[in-house]
Amino acid sequence: GQNIDQPTEMTATEGAIVQINCTYQTSGFNGLFWYQQHAGEAPTFLSYNVLDGLEEKGRFSSFLSRSKGYSYLLLKELQMKDSASYLCAPMDSNYQLIWGAGTKLIIKP
Amino acid sequence: DTAVSQTPKYLVTQMGNDKSIKCEQNLGHDTMYWYKQDSKKFLKIMFSYNNKELIINETVPNRFSPKSPDKAHLNLHINSLELGDSAVYFCASSQGDQNTGELFFGEGSRLTVL
Repeated sequence: GQNIDQPTEMTATEGAIVQINCTYQTSGFNGLFWYQQHAGEAPTFLSYNVLDGLEEKGRFSSFLSRSKGYSYLLLKELQMKDSASYLCAPMDSNYQLIWGAGTKLIIKP
Repeated sequence: DTAVSQTPKYLVTQMGNDKSIKCEQNLGHDTMYWYKQDSKKFLKIMFSYNNKELIINETVPNRFSPKSPDKAHLNLHINSLELGDSAVYFCASSQGDQNTGELFFGEGSRLTVL
């Protein structure tokens, strides 16, 4: 079966760094996506990894290890506006996104 | 300019009614989707549609039907609403015939069935 596993909730302090982990099992693999979803709003695209390694985009970086079925999203210099849910979504062999329930990130001053 | 817009944003209705949610995208994308996000926050694909193909998630009851008058619109019709249909429904679009994974979502339509 297809499965996504990420922590339900994490708490971090403003200005700090946080890493949100995601492990996955899919039927085939065509890359992995991270989306951000603020409460009551639509998900917005953050990153896409299809090759192993780290992709950096400003304060956010995403890492992928295909052999381990593992990815993480790294957020640096946390700001209050980063409080949101972060959704890990690998794409299977049929180009369908498999969505996790997301990790709710709470930022404290 | 709103890229993907859906209406209404809030919908409260009685069990057994029939309702529709409209979606429009002005991005020139070829593929549109409907997702359901339940109270546990899981996003579940319901339909994906482009000019060539309608893909239906087999778990979606046939009370739900997508209707696309043209490439920029994909409306969702729901017949005989049930309590379990209460959720937030998101419309989304992506470029190309094949899902690239980079989806542009509408703001969501919160459906409450009483």
